[in-house]
Amino acid sequence: AQSVTQPDIHITVSEGASLELRCNYSYGATPYLFWYVQSPGQGLQLLLKYFSGDTLVQGIKGFEAEFKRSQSSFNLRKPSVHWSDAAEYFCAVGGLEYGNKLVFGAGTILRVKS
Amino acid sequence: SAVISQKPSRDICQRGTSLTIQCQVDSQVTMMFWYRQQPGQSLTLIATANQGSEATYESGFVIDKFPISRPNLTFSTLTVSNMSPEDSSIYLCSVLGTYEQYFGPGTRLTVT
Repeated sequence: AQSVTQPDIHITVSEGASLELRCNYSYGATPYLFWYVQSPGQGLQLLLKYFSGDTLVQGIKGFEAEFKRSQSSFNLRKPSVHWSDAAEYFCAVGGLEYGNKLVFGAGTILRVKS
Repeated sequence: SAVISQKPSRDICQRGTSLTIQCQVDSQVTMMFWYRQQPGQSLTLIATANQGSEATYESGFVIDKFPISRPNLTFSTLTVSNMSPEDSSIYLCSVLGTYEQYFGPGTRLTVT
């Protein structure tokens, strides 16, 4: 069965500092991996996705993520955080073998201090 | 990416009543999904809705409680029936792109 673990419930970083949000997954076949962001009172916005190929993927808003099959990880990074990045971030896994359904992690709430 | 709208954006309902949530997409899509996000929680898939077939429900969700319609390739509805305070959640619809999903803004439901 699919599952996603985001070990950090809350993370606080200073504005301008680098960020890494962790995501580990369990999936029985070739995973499709996603990061979504949810700002307060908003729906989910797709930040980036990995299907195949280059394991380092670039997304919107200056985010990137690296797929590491050996570690079953798909960590999200940003070199310099802006106050507007404060939100909740969800990692998700899906794929054709499970009808393209997504399983989400519990989410990580990012706080940015000035 | 698709543009998705949901109605209503929020509602406060009495227990025992039902609410129907609408999801409209600006392009034709094969697969649509309905999720629930309980307060402070992550998203949980309720069901997959394909046009022309019955919705497929996930474990823990039943058609009598969450009937879904999918009359065409741009529209779907989710009804939350016989509501209780435990149904207070955000309900989101999504559509399948290539392999990714795009989400609507959600419907925030409070049951009193």
